[in-house]
Amino acid sequence: GAGVSQTPSNKVTEKGKYVELRCDPISGHTALYWYRQSLGQGPEFLIYFQGTGAADDSGLPNDRFFAVRPEGSVSTLKIQRTERGDSAVYLCASSLTPGGGYNEQFFGPGTRLTVL
Amino acid sequence: ILNVEQSPQSLHVQEGDSTNFTCSFPSSNFYALHWYRWETAKSPEALFVMTLNGDEKKKGRISATLNTKEGYSYLYIKGSQPEDSATYLCASINQAGTALIFGKGTTLSVSS
Repeated sequence: GAGVSQTPSNKVTEKGKYVELRCDPISGHTALYWYRQSLGQGPEFLIYFQGTGAADDSGLPNDRFFAVRPEGSVSTLKIQRTERGDSAVYLCASSLTPGGGYNEQFFGPGTRLTVL
Repeated sequence: ILNVEQSPQSLHVQEGDSTNFTCSFPSSNFYALHWYRWETAKSPEALFVMTLNGDEKKKGRISATLNTKEGYSYLYIKGSQPEDSATYLCASINQAGTALIFGKGTTLSVSS
């Protein structure tokens, strides 16, 4: 079956611009996660959705970052007024059941964001 | 703050060599440890989810052990092949139980 998909695969933008990154989880997976990996680091947690609601958004670095999952499937990560430090690979993952980090998470290939 | 550490940072071996990496994590409030393999331009792929002290899991030539009392896990690859070249990530669970806390990974390169 289809895995987690993310679009676009690459995004180049200029400092100060707004970007949206999309994640299509595996069908039927109720839990969805966003992570980002900066150069030389491991993936860093951003936000966790259970259904339509953000169950934990403690990883969002500041109020320029926002994510939605209005129908409990597709999610969009939105970044306002991008900065060069936002350049990273943004990963999305989903899991079948609730439980956050206890369950196997299935990852998408990521979106590589470059802010010039 | 939950810190997950991995060593070595990178490793280069010859085809047929066996190798192992280390993941260390705080032993208090342990819930589960995940191992992932991430090949370039692909999605991270789950290898193991380990929960019990003394647990040992195997998938083909790859195996992992877990020591929750001392806070470490080893990943072993027997008879490395070029297709094993990837970054291997381990992750524990944050204190809220909601997400994974990753180490920086070990990047393995296998030459034929």
